[in-house]
Amino acid sequence: QSALTQPPSASGSPGQSVTISCTGTNSDVGGYNYVSWYQQHPGKAPKLMIYEVTKRPSGVPDRFSGSKSGNTASLTVSGLQAEDEANYYCCSYGGSSNLILIFGGGTKLTVL
Amino acid sequence: EVQLVESGGSLVQPGESLRLSCAASGFTFSSYWIHWVRQAPGKGLEWVANINQDGSVKYYVDSVKGRFTISRDNAKNSLYLQMNSLRAEDTAVYYCARGESYAVFYWGQGALVTVSS
Repeated sequence: QSALTQPPSASGSPGQSVTISCTGTNSDVGGYNYVSWYQQHPGKAPKLMIYEVTKRPSGVPDRFSGSKSGNTASLTVSGLQAEDEANYYCCSYGGSSNLILIFGGGTKLTVL
Repeated sequence: EVQLVESGGSLVQPGESLRLSCAASGFTFSSYWIHWVRQAPGKGLEWVANINQDGSVKYYVDSVKGRFTISRDNAKNSLYLQMNSLRAEDTAVYYCARGESYAVFYWGQGALVTVSS
């Protein structure tokens, strides 16, 4: 099963909003409400930002939100801040393929 | 505080074996699925394997099936990854990660495995 498709880069100015897409198939993103998003700063471990498509773990600012339509999930970061500059990875349950978690290729978010 | 601490990363030659360990603390280890996720240098995240709460169910990505074995010792709050017949493409940082609702809520700091002659 192939990795989920994300744009390699995205950018926005401080205070603006940016949306990162994540496209899969009916067998993963479109088939289950188990999409998660991770933020990773260079040299650091990933951090969970969104799970079950729209839910935020405790401590994650409400500037981060998730959504899904069909086979495409999205992460929106509102009110961009300098510390939001990082790599973002989407992830979906892989369902019956036994590939339990399928990650996207990652998107480098640059705060201009 | 949830902590996951990997150890055992090293430089090995192709074809050799290596065992990674992950020491868990700050939560009831035996209540959670645990994953191994890896990241090759400069690349994205790749799920490798996971194991259920009592160790009776295990899943692997196709590229490691038959070479890697995931296991756990709930009495020691520890997770393991036995890696045999290592290849250059297995070079990566390996993260131990606590699973919940098909997401990873907590990650270790990672252990670097380098496979090179």
